[in-house]
Amino acid sequence: KQEVTQIPAALSVPEGENLVLNCSFTDSAIYNLQWFRQDPGKGLTSLLLIQSSQREQTSGRLNASLDKSSGRSTLYIAASQPGDSATYLCAVPHGSGNTGKLIFGQGTTLQVKP
Amino acid sequence: GAVVSQHPSRVICKSGTSVKIECRSLDFQATTMFWYRQFPKKSLMLMATSNEGSKATYEQGVEKDKFLINHASLTLSTLTVTSAHPEDSSFYICSALREGSETQYFGPGTRLLVL
Repeated sequence: KQEVTQIPAALSVPEGENLVLNCSFTDSAIYNLQWFRQDPGKGLTSLLLIQSSQREQTSGRLNASLDKSSGRSTLYIAASQPGDSATYLCAVPHGSGNTGKLIFGQGTTLQVKP
Repeated sequence: GAVVSQHPSRVICKSGTSVKIECRSLDFQATTMFWYRQFPKKSLMLMATSNEGSKATYEQGVEKDKFLINHASLTLSTLTVTSAHPEDSSFYICSALREGSETQYFGPGTRLLVL
């Protein structure tokens, strides 16, 4: 059974710092991996989607890497800003195909202090 | 970008009543939608897969008679929490899978509080 874990559960950094969020999964036979952002009391916004054949994806100050063999993904945020404060979730699909049914990690709640 | 809406955004109801939550894809068609539940400070748990024109598929442990799902059109899925109890209080989020895309678009969520 696939399990997704995110460490740390919470992180507080001063503005301007570069930071890394971690996501691990137990079954390496994933179709893709997604990183989402969730603001308090809100829905999810997709940040990056990495296909199983890819090693990384970049969008602005965000860079997500994927190492299937070790069952890990990282989300790198460069030059963090207070507006980056949110909960970040990673998710993989059930099974090895693109079922659309996602298994989420517990999330990392990030606070960027001005 | 693709937009998914949910209505209502929050609802308070008395124990024993039923509550209907709507999930709409506003600018695209979605043959498949998903319903998730999120407890405070916890992650999202998939409840069921909603398929247009057919019965929903429920995850293990989710009571289909408790959480009725209807996907009557390519842009609308509804979740009805029947005979709600305080333990049903949660944040319910839907998502829609755009045809031809691998990205899910999530709704803003519905906060349900059962008194």
